[in-house]
Amino acid sequence: EAQVTQNPRYLITVTGKKLTVTCSQNMNHEYMSWYRQDPGLGLRQIYYSMNVEVTDKGDVPEGYKVSRKEKRNFPLILESPSPNQTSLYFCASSLAGRAFFGQGTRLTVV
Amino acid sequence: GENVEQHPSTLSVQEGDSAVIKCTYSDSASNYFPWYKQELGKRPQLIIDIRSNVGEKKDQRIAVTLNKTAKHFSLHITETQPEDSAVYFCAASKGANNLFFGTGTRLTVIP
Repeated sequence: EAQVTQNPRYLITVTGKKLTVTCSQNMNHEYMSWYRQDPGLGLRQIYYSMNVEVTDKGDVPEGYKVSRKEKRNFPLILESPSPNQTSLYFCASSLAGRAFFGQGTRLTVV
Repeated sequence: GENVEQHPSTLSVQEGDSAVIKCTYSDSASNYFPWYKQELGKRPQLIIDIRSNVGEKKDQRIAVTLNKTAKHFSLHITETQPEDSAVYFCAASKGANNLFFGTGTRLTVIP
């Protein structure tokens, strides 16, 4: 079954404690991206990757890092999380513009 | 970059009525316009999309129209059903995979 898998689904952490949200896809898509979803703001792109070892900033990259060492994986890294990064995060992989989203990760930073 | 505006932010309709959600975009180079449906607690899922060489596309009870001159596109849902209740997002892209999303419309279908 074609899917995008994120982990964890829920995460509560403290300010400054590094964390990683994993994302994996089995559709062999070259393009992957991360979004955050906040009430009233829709989905905003954090980072994207057009292929292995090729990543670029989206609209709201501050405070985030990504890596793309393999085609199927695109982890999101928060080196020093802050409360304003409390949000719902979605990973997506895309083909010809059509995005397939993961289940989402609800992150709370206290 | 691209700026996508979406209206209304909330919409309530009686079951069986039609619902229309409208979006405008700023970059005339955008040429791909998908619509996503997000049910409560779920991930966004693509329901219909249109490319700029087409003015209208239908899929059963949903349709999308595109006016390139005015830079706006709309989602039309006919004969609404309670299961259509969700948040709908429009998006625009310049043909690559970078999607710029609107802020969403919460549709409620009243039985």
